[in-house]
Amino acid sequence: AQKITQTQPGMFVQEKEAVTLDCTYDTSDPSYGLFWYKQPSSGEMIFLIYQGSYDQQNATEGRYSLNFQKARKSANLVISASQLGDSAMYFCAMILLTYYGGSQGNLIFGKGTKLSVKP
Amino acid sequence: DGGITQSPKYLFRKEGQNVTLSCEQNLNHDAMYWYRQDPGQGLRLIYYSQIVNDFQKGDIAEGYSVSREKKESFPLTVTSAQKNPTAFYLCASSDEVGTGELFFGEGSRLTVL
Repeated sequence: AQKITQTQPGMFVQEKEAVTLDCTYDTSDPSYGLFWYKQPSSGEMIFLIYQGSYDQQNATEGRYSLNFQKARKSANLVISASQLGDSAMYFCAMILLTYYGGSQGNLIFGKGTKLSVKP
Repeated sequence: DGGITQSPKYLFRKEGQNVTLSCEQNLNHDAMYWYRQDPGQGLRLIYYSQIVNDFQKGDIAEGYSVSREKKESFPLTVTSAQKNPTAFYLCASSDEVGTGELFFGEGSRLTVL
């Protein structure tokens, strides 16, 4: 069975510094997609970044980058130059894909990491 | 603006009562989902729907029911059979079922007194 593990229940980072949020995943399937979502205190989940298992380069979206280490089955989120507005819960998620890139099943979420940015 | 609207934001009910949570989207998405979130936990899928008049159970469907009579609407009923209904409920939609890029509403927090 597929599983997502986020081992950091909470993290603190100083404003303007970079922070890495850990995510490891478990699947025997070779084709999958990895996602990060942000959940502010308002409750809404916001999509941040996506990495496919066959993508050659690590995904980047503005200040967000995904450090994808396939052999270690890790997909850590790196936030550069942290801002106060980055304080939120962050969820890592995975979906299985067919060989042709179509999806199988639904998203599987980790338990989340609460990030607090200090001024 | 396009998006997903959930209502009510907060809801209180007595034990033994059914309650229905509303979810409306104007994104013209085919797929819609309901998730449950408990403190310290990730999201767990309750039900999802790929198309009007069709829906499938997720991982924790017991005690819940849904309908999809219109493309833009996917209400969730929390029945009295749900043994631990106090939770945060999130509705989401996507272009097609199974894609990871979901668009979420702001959630409904249900408290059973």
